[in-house]
Amino acid sequence: QITLKESGPTLVKPTQTLTLTCTFSGFSLSTSGVGVGWIRQAPGKALEWLAVVYWNDDQRYSPSLKRRLTITKDTSKNQVVLTMTNMDPVDTTTYYCARTQWRYCSGDGCYFGFVDYWGQGALVTVSS
Amino acid sequence: EIVLTQSPGTLSLSPGERATLSCRTSQSVSSSYLAWYQQKPGQAPRLLIYGASNRATGIPDRFSGSGSGTDFTLTISRLEPEDFAVYYCQHYGSSPLFTFGPGTTVDI
Repeated sequence: QITLKESGPTLVKPTQTLTLTCTFSGFSLSTSGVGVGWIRQAPGKALEWLAVVYWNDDQRYSPSLKRRLTITKDTSKNQVVLTMTNMDPVDTTTYYCARTQWRYCSGDGCYFGFVDYWGQGALVTVSS
Repeated sequence: EIVLTQSPGTLSLSPGERATLSCRTSQSVSSSYLAWYQQKPGQAPRLLIYGASNRATGIPDRFSGSGSGTDFTLTISRLEPEDFAVYYCQHYGSSPLFTFGPGTTVDI
């Protein structure tokens, strides 16, 4: 059974740095093709991708937030950590960690970049 | 940058009816990189379809995906009460790496 769970502060002050940890089970981030990333969603809004780290330690970021984000993995602990600097009230939202398949091949073909498992989400409020 | 547009914004239907949701991309994409998700209130999204037409594990066969190029469709053949939710399409591979559409709400 694959599970992911986000943990971190529920409240941060403006200008502070947010650190979120994703702890997962049921798979290994050393498996070829697997990635773990972060996606956020403001209340009533669409999903916004933030960052992903792959099994080979390839790290990718949303261009609009790249300067503020760092994603790292600890394969031995089954954890992925996201840090976001200079938090602002507009960053108040639910943050999801999720597993993604860089490439999944079956008898019918190969498919890329879908998110097959999600955490429950963590609501982070930015307020003084 | 590839932009995803979903229509309609809201689809008001009754149980048993057929739902047809559209996702259009701003430029032609490979269907191998297109996925659909369902999200119910207070829950995380759930993968429905990957590679434009492949159902994810455990997804009922009333859900189907199709399309190519710039036009993709998610069809729910007969709506069940638990299908009333928001549906997102997603593309992988351009910049940003993961792009989600704005969503279509299917409500009663």
